[in-house]
Amino acid sequence: KAGVTQTPRYLIKTRGQQVTLSCSPISGHRSVSWYQQTPGQGLQFLFEYFSETQRNKGNFPGRFSGRQFSNSRSEMNVSTLELGDSALYLCASSQQPSGNTIYFGEGSWLTVV
Amino acid sequence: AQSVTQPDIHITVSEGASLELRCNYSYGATPYLFWYVQSPGQGLQLLLKYFSGDTLVQGIKGFEAEFKRSQSSFNLRKPSVHWSDAAEYFCAVGARQTGANNLFFGTGTRLTVIP
Repeated sequence: KAGVTQTPRYLIKTRGQQVTLSCSPISGHRSVSWYQQTPGQGLQFLFEYFSETQRNKGNFPGRFSGRQFSNSRSEMNVSTLELGDSALYLCASSQQPSGNTIYFGEGSWLTVV
Repeated sequence: AQSVTQPDIHITVSEGASLELRCNYSYGATPYLFWYVQSPGQGLQLLLKYFSGDTLVQGIKGFEAEFKRSQSSFNLRKPSVHWSDAAEYFCAVGARQTGANNLFFGTGTRLTVIP
């Protein structure tokens, strides 16, 4: 069974641009969540989706958004990029929204210059 | 609100020595507890988890962890460390009551293994 797949793995963007990251969960998993990892702030929860609905959101500005499709695949978007958005963005999936094991992908490395 | 403390930022052990990584959490009830490992440039790999039942849980790669409610701890142990265990280890807490799937992570412990 394939794991959580994230694309692209690496990307470089310029300040002010926007970026879209994609995540394909493990087959059969319907809950997808996103995390940002930086050296200064560590691992922080961004948001969680289940059945195409955002169920939970972390403390991030509105520039960070996401969505989930009917096939459970998810995308996150960051608009008006800032240097501080440079981070590893991790996607995780689980079968249900609670009480299940959460599996992570390899992440998307975003560098903002 | 939930929080997780990993008091050791960096630990160095000799290959073959035993290992214990500490994790303390703050939560109003019994949380879901996880340990993940991250190698440089990689994502997070699940080592083990505690949801309920036996407080001593076994994981992959010979790791185990013990949930101690009275101490709000979930320490990770391994009896004999291998050089390939060098990585960063994260303890995480999930909320049980809210039904939310978001995890709160500790700041991580970086493990160095010397030959």
